[in-house]
Amino acid sequence: GAGVSQSPSNKVTEKGKDVELRCDPISGHTALYWYRQSLGQGLEFLIYFQGNSAPDKSGLPSDRFSAERTGGSVSTLTIQRTQQEDSAVYLCASSFTGVSTEAFFGQGTRLTVV
Amino acid sequence: KQEVTQIPAALSVPEGENLVLNCSFTDSAIYNLQWFRQDPGKGLTSLLLIQSSQREQTSGRLNASLDKSSGRSTLYIAASQPGDSATYLCAVRDNYGQNFVFGPGTRLSVLP
Repeated sequence: GAGVSQSPSNKVTEKGKDVELRCDPISGHTALYWYRQSLGQGLEFLIYFQGNSAPDKSGLPSDRFSAERTGGSVSTLTIQRTQQEDSAVYLCASSFTGVSTEAFFGQGTRLTVV
Repeated sequence: KQEVTQIPAALSVPEGENLVLNCSFTDSAIYNLQWFRQDPGKGLTSLLLIQSSQREQTSGRLNASLDKSSGRSTLYIAASQPGDSATYLCAVRDNYGQNFVFGPGTRLSVLP
């Protein structure tokens, strides 16, 4: 596709349920990032994938959060046993290899835990 | 730990004015700095990317400057339009990690 695609765009779930958020990066981009934006807050880094290297998971807030990237392309962010404080917009970005490259963001998934 | 701040937090101007948004970062060891805009309920749109070796970048009515040694960047918007109304975010990519560190953003309103 032309840009980073995220699905679903909106997700409402009950507290305690598991959710999966999907990110399709721009074709050819080897780097993929997940960020979280809570209401009225800045963007919080969650996890970073670069090619076949081990991901940087240093931003994941708890062990309920995990992410994988299959075949170096599509990524899934999984939140287990969701809590109300998990409610936020989850943003995915991708870029080419290298720290000097421009990052492009998707439209985000708005997660609401009720 | 890298910290990024943006001033002002909010700005309201009449249409046609030139304006400057400010971004400061605490650690000058950066690879690059990127400016984004975010419309309500939307994702981030990349505006300009400045490499650490560059002083400025221009795109249309937008001009971004970078003074790495002082830890500052400015985004200049010329002849502002109501369509420029959005939140503007700056983000730095520092030498210690591969991810971006974001500022809190400046919420801009351009009044017709």
